[in-house]
Amino acid sequence: GENVEQHPSTLSVQEGDSAVIKCTYSDSASNYFPWYKQELGKGPQLIIDIRSNVGEKKDQRIAVTLNKTAKHFSLHITETQPEDSAVYFCAARWQDMRFGAGTRLTVKP
Amino acid sequence: DAGITQSPRYKITETGRQVTLMCHQTWSHSYMFWYRQDLGHGLRLIYYSAAADITDKGEVPDGYVVSRSKTENFPLTLESATRSQTSVYFCASSESGGLSGNTIYFGEGSWLTVV
Repeated sequence: GENVEQHPSTLSVQEGDSAVIKCTYSDSASNYFPWYKQELGKGPQLIIDIRSNVGEKKDQRIAVTLNKTAKHFSLHITETQPEDSAVYFCAARWQDMRFGAGTRLTVKP
Repeated sequence: DAGITQSPRYKITETGRQVTLMCHQTWSHSYMFWYRQDLGHGLRLIYYSAAADITDKGEVPDGYVVSRSKTENFPLTLESATRSQTSVYFCASSESGGLSGNTIYFGEGSWLTVV
């Protein structure tokens, strides 16, 4: 089955700086790569996703890039704010969906 | 729009007891999933279902049973609960498994403690 590796496990940045989280996947059949944000006590919430026929996607301060050849994808958050502090998960999907282990992002005011 | 709801939200049970976690979605999504979340392991897939009466194992299916007699419901049963099954369980659904409509939406989670 699919295996998704996510790095780093923790990330601390100063407010206004950028944050980058990287993931790799193993199954070349995977065609859908979402990113989820999870706040304490809540279920994961989709923040952005990218499909295999697209190389980059942006939504305001958030962007995701996909390199299908290298089987890796990244989440970029610019101008970070304290409310961006949360755990972020990447995932890869063909039929089922497998997640990375998560990155705890802390944005210091 | 209720979306996807899980019950119970919180449960304490004893080792050896049978426990069923319920999941209901109002979108008529074809796919439904059960994940467990443990510290250091992220979200691990237990079982998923592509349609009514079709289920498949995920990464960690041992000790769990699922059924999907109706499209909108996907209950997860722990036949004989063990302490290692103490976890937060998330149900999820998606419209399809292809390139389009495959966004997965999560419920709020069921916190299960086995003592």
